Amino acid sequence: AQKITQTQPGMFVQEKEAVTLDCTYDTSDPSYGLFWYKQPSSGEMIFLIYQGSYDQQNATEGRYSLNFQKARKSANLVISASQLGDSAMYFCATQGTQGAQKLVFGQGTRLTINP
Amino acid sequence: DADVTQTPRNRITKTGKRIMLECSQTKGHDRMYWYRQDPGLGLQLIYYSFDVKDINKGEISDGYSVSRQAQAKFSLSLESAIPNQTALYFCATSDTRTVTGELFFGEGSRLTVL
Repeated sequence: AQKITQTQPGMFVQEKEAVTLDCTYDTSDPSYGLFWYKQPSSGEMIFLIYQGSYDQQNATEGRYSLNFQKARKSANLVISASQLGDSAMYFCATQGTQGAQKLVFGQGTRLTINP
Repeated sequence: DADVTQTPRNRITKTGKRIMLECSQTKGHDRMYWYRQDPGLGLQLIYYSFDVKDINKGEISDGYSVSRQAQAKFSLSLESAIPNQTALYFCATSDTRTVTGELFFGEGSRLTVL
């Protein structure tokens, strides 16, 4: 079984600051993927970044990077130089590569960027 | 036009009514999913389908049924809606052939059961 834990229900950050959103995971799959999605107030789910469990380097996509620490089972999202448009819910998710390959989500973190 | 289209986008109905939410995709993906999101919570998997002949229950399938009419179409039915099924429903797709297996979501269908 897979489980995602996001311990920060809400975070408030000043514009232009960097922010780290925490995510820890638990899985029995030897090979798995970790995902981050953004959900703005309009409701859609936007894919941000992916990290494979065997990837040697941390994933980066523009201002987003994933701080992957396999031994600690953490996959924190780092947003550099935050912008007002980054205000949204952020969800961490994991998917095993064996069996049903379902995507399991955490409960999310609501990020608010203050001007 | 959206690659993953859900209809209706908003629906208000009464307890006991039958409701169908429809999803169609133009991405050519083989896998389709239905998720439910309750206010302030993450997404929970209702049903998923890896191809037209493959339907699987997710974490919270009770009270729901699905039909995969074609590779591009996956519908979710509430046979007799109840108020605690009030939620935002997402359809999603993924492609077996990709390395990441990321999900592509529709814009969501907001259902209110009175």
